Amino acid sequence: QVQLQESGPGLVKPSETLSLTCTVSGGSTSSYFWSWIRQPPGEGLEWIGYIYYTGSTTYNPSLESRVTISIDASKNQFSLMLSSVTAADTAMYYCARRSWGRYSLDSWGQGTLVTVSS
Amino acid sequence: EIVLTQSPGTLSLSPGERATLSCRASQSVSSSYLAWYQQKPGQAPRLLIYGASSRATGIPDRFSGSGSGTDFTLTISRLEPEDFAVYYCQHYATSPYTFGQGTKLEIK
Repeated sequence: QVQLQESGPGLVKPSETLSLTCTVSGGSTSSYFWSWIRQPPGEGLEWIGYIYYTGSTTYNPSLESRVTISIDASKNQFSLMLSSVTAADTAMYYCARRSWGRYSLDSWGQGTLVTVSS
Repeated sequence: EIVLTQSPGTLSLSPGERATLSCRASQSVSSSYLAWYQQKPGQAPRLLIYGASSRATGIPDRFSGSGSGTDFTLTISRLEPEDFAVYYCQHYATSPYTFGQGTKLEIK
């Protein structure tokens, strides 16, 4: 059974770049779409974007100018970079998997809380 | 951007009762592209339903999904204590693949 685990700094300063990595175990990154979703404290879910195992990406237009998602198949990892962060980017960040032909997120990481503060 | 509006915001019911949660889309969504998730406090969301009506692996059959076009429904036939949580719908019609704002199902 595939497992996903987010990792990265829990505190980022305003105007800096948030960087997170999701490590996939129990399966390969091949043939799947790998997504990032975030959830501000006490609020709902926001889809950030995804990367296909080929490297093709799709981002939420509201974040597109600041987001980069990349993949390293050799390490079974994919990553999120979000630049010029503000307090509004404080959230729990989740990585998740979508299977080809199924339009849903069937496996999720436990999430990692990122706080933007000086 | 397709907006998903969930209702009610909060639903208060007792164990054993039937729960009906609604997700309405601002424009038509193929049923293939509609999913439901359950989220408990301190946990990641868990996939319940994909393709509007197909249960994900390991999901009990008291959970069912239905609907088409702009109106979708998640039904829990007989509530168990572990079902009290927040439920989200999500679409995959066009980017951005937005979520509804959630329905909190609480114990009455």
